[in-house]
Amino acid sequence: QQQVKQSPQSLIVQKGGISIINCAYENTAFDYFPWYQQFPGKGPALLIAIRPDVSEKKEGRFTISFNKSAKQFSLHIMDSQPGDSATYFCAASIIQGAQKLVFGQGTRLTINP
Amino acid sequence: EAGVAQSPRYKIIEKRQSVAFWCNPISGHATLYWYQQILGQGPKLLIQFQNNGVVDDSQLPKDRFSAERLKGVDSTLKIQPAKLEDSAVYLCASSYYLNTEAFFGQGTRLTVV
Repeated sequence: QQQVKQSPQSLIVQKGGISIINCAYENTAFDYFPWYQQFPGKGPALLIAIRPDVSEKKEGRFTISFNKSAKQFSLHIMDSQPGDSATYFCAASIIQGAQKLVFGQGTRLTINP
Repeated sequence: EAGVAQSPRYKIIEKRQSVAFWCNPISGHATLYWYQQILGQGPKLLIQFQNNGVVDDSQLPKDRFSAERLKGVDSTLKIQPAKLEDSAVYLCASSYYLNTEAFFGQGTRLTVV
């Protein structure tokens, strides 16, 4: 019940296209859903996060869509650029108390120029 | 603002040897996390400190792994004896307080041969 399932494992998108990564969770107590971006040799960096009281959050070219009833959330990268090529992780945690982040398996995104 | 510092960056040891990793969190961050990231997987929380007290160590293999955070600042993670399956990147992260954004270091890549 603590798992977060992420798909696809890898994704190739043409420059200017839309990249979409999906995650699903089981634990309905989760109330914080961040996305992390990780470049080779670096630690994960927070990209964008959402709470379940909203269905969508947008920051620049990055948008999180959240479906509470389906227990799913997704990351959309608009106008994808070669610099967006990285591994993306979704995660979930319970805000009240210890912020124990449970990560998805990761998606390796490649943007072709 | 200086980021989370970790050392060493890389370590190669033989199985059954011991190894230690060091982490210096961002100044003023009370919460410190150690994550294990096996190749191709998302990070998995090993232990979480609040100041120098342990908040969560439920996924720490206590028969071989130990961690301490003396004086509530720097932290060390030790593995003794190491197994082949311990080969992974060990990430340290810190946050100002529980339930706030966690910042990750670059990690220590451990290879056990």
